Amino acid sequence: GAVVSQHPSRVICKSGTSVKIECRSLDFQATTMFWYRQFPKKSLMLMATSNEGSKATYEQGVEKDKFLINHASLTLSTLTVTSAHPEDSSFYICSAWTQETQYFGPGTRLLVL
Amino acid sequence: AQSVTQLDSQVPVFEEAPVELRCNYSSSVSVYLFWYVQYPNQGLQLLLKYLSGSTLVKGINGFEAEFNKSQTSFHLRKPSVHISDTAEYFCAVENTGFQKLVFGTGTRLLVSP
Repeated sequence: GAVVSQHPSRVICKSGTSVKIECRSLDFQATTMFWYRQFPKKSLMLMATSNEGSKATYEQGVEKDKFLINHASLTLSTLTVTSAHPEDSSFYICSAWTQETQYFGPGTRLLVL
Repeated sequence: AQSVTQLDSQVPVFEEAPVELRCNYSSSVSVYLFWYVQYPNQGLQLLLKYLSGSTLVKGINGFEAEFNKSQTSFHLRKPSVHISDTAEYFCAVENTGFQKLVFGTGTRLLVSP
């Protein structure tokens, strides 16, 4: 139980385009999901907390207009990187909260050319 | 504010030897504690967690950890490691009920034959 999926696993896009990443809880409902960013050989940086039916809460320094988060259902949250630039290239990981625990997705590798 | 310290950035060990990965935290309130493992280019997998009750927690893959409140530690141990245990290990703390995790910087476990 407590499986979280992410799609796509890897994406390459041109600078200036937008990219959407999906995070799904497959066998449970999650009112709260989280989006993280991980730089090479670094720990996870929390970007935002996604709450079903309400606006996401962004961490300090994260541009909300750049990283759009939508949590439209109890099993799906999406992260859209708008007008992507090479510095947005990173590993993005989502998690979903249930039973006092965060369960993580497999991550999405984004490369912006 | 909470913080998590993983003093060892890398721990080399021979196969079948025991290993301990250290984690210390600071918090002024009660906490939940977690250990996650990350294999290359993958998300985080939950190894074990301490929410309450017995301070010795057993997890998957033969790992265990002990919560020591007086020393504010949650060290991860395995009596005999395998090559397949080579990965990055993250300790994380959550203020009870607040859902947000604070991660340590990670410890790379390198198991060699």
